[in-house]
Amino acid sequence: EAQVTQNPRYLITVTGKKLTVTCSQNMNHEYMSWYRQDPGLGLRQIYYSMNVEVTDKGDVPEGYKVSRKEKRNFPLILESPSPNQTSLYFCASSSRGQGRNEQYFGPGTRLTVT
Amino acid sequence: DQQVKQNSPSLSVQEGRISILNCDYTNSMFDYFLWYKKYPAEGPTFLISISSIKDKNEDGRFTVFLNKSAKHLSLHIVPSQPGDSAVYFCAVLASGAGSYQLTFGKGTKLSVIP
Repeated sequence: EAQVTQNPRYLITVTGKKLTVTCSQNMNHEYMSWYRQDPGLGLRQIYYSMNVEVTDKGDVPEGYKVSRKEKRNFPLILESPSPNQTSLYFCASSSRGQGRNEQYFGPGTRLTVT
Repeated sequence: DQQVKQNSPSLSVQEGRISILNCDYTNSMFDYFLWYKKYPAEGPTFLISISSIKDKNEDGRFTVFLNKSAKHLSLHIVPSQPGDSAVYFCAVLASGAGSYQLTFGKGTKLSVIP
């Protein structure tokens, strides 16, 4: 089954404790992206990756890092989480040039930083 | 400054009637426009899209209209069904050289009343 998976689905942590949210897709997509969803703000892009070893900042990259060492994986790293990073996070992937350009989203990771 | 605006946070429609969701954008360089649907506790799912070279695209009960001169996008759902109750996001894609960025509106919550 074609899918985007994220782990963990729920995470409660404390300020300053480094964490990683994993994202994996099994569709051989070139493009992957991370978003955060906050009430009243919709979905905002954090980082995206056009292909292996190619990453770029989205609209709200501060406080986050990403890496793309393999095509299927695109982990989101919070080196020193803060309470304003409490949010619902979505990973997405897409194959460029398939004509419809839709992105497939993972189920989401709800992060709480206390 | 918001590049994509969904000015109606919510919309209620009677079952069987037409639902019309609207979206305005600011940049005439966007080349693809998409609608996503999101249920609570799930990731967004792709609904329908339209290229900037077209003004209408239809898929079953869903039709997207693009008015480039007005920089306006709309989604029509006919007939509306209770299962259509969800948050709808419009998104615009800018895919120039070295870039592939999807920007979302804040969403409109559609409630279809049986």
